[in-house]
Amino acid sequence: EIQLQESGPGLVKPSQSLSLTCSVTGYTITSGYDWSWIRKFPGNKMEWMGYISNSGSTNYNPSLKIRISITRDTSKNQFFLQLNSVTTEDTATYYCARSYGYNSDYFDYWGQGVMVTVSS
Amino acid sequence: DIQMTQSPSSLPASLGERVTISCRASQGISNNLNWYQQKPDGTIKPLIYYTSNLQSGVPSRFSGSGSGTDYSLTISSLEPEDFAMYYCQQDASFPPTFGGGTKLELK
Repeated sequence: EIQLQESGPGLVKPSQSLSLTCSVTGYTITSGYDWSWIRKFPGNKMEWMGYISNSGSTNYNPSLKIRISITRDTSKNQFFLQLNSVTTEDTATYYCARSYGYNSDYFDYWGQGVMVTVSS
Repeated sequence: DIQMTQSPSSLPASLGERVTISCRASQGISNNLNWYQQKPDGTIKPLIYYTSNLQSGVPSRFSGSGSGTDYSLTISSLEPEDFAMYYCQQDASFPPTFGGGTKLELK
């Protein structure tokens, strides 16, 4: 069974970087599909942030393009999110998900989510 | 970006009731509309893709319809496990965008 699990700090200070890990079991991230990050804000709005493909290429939401980086460690079957220069508006629950489709925009497996608060 | 508007934002309903959740896109999305369910424990799973196709394992009481800018998710007879949040999402245009969610709660 495919499982995704997010991990990382639950509290980040403003202007610092947010770094999260998604650990995947039951499927090798280089075998196919793409691997996305999505976040859900307080108040329930959801935003797709970006993905890393099975070949290692990336694609990001233009709204985040200057602040976001998604990378991977294939030896550990993990992929990572880094979001720079965070503000309180980046407070959200962050999800990793497996994705596919024309723009890698259908999400068939999701992690449980990790809540991140940006606060001094 | 295409804006997705769901209604209602909250929907009180009873067990066995038939309910419909609506989703409207700010422009035509040619049936490229998906639905997801988020349980109270945070778990998210896909329900329907391309307007009306059930994801594997999803009960047949769930159905989807629509065209152009207007889409809907219907649950024919509510079961206890259906009380959750529901989101629509378009994948017609980059970047993919989500509706604001509908909370289906027990009346």
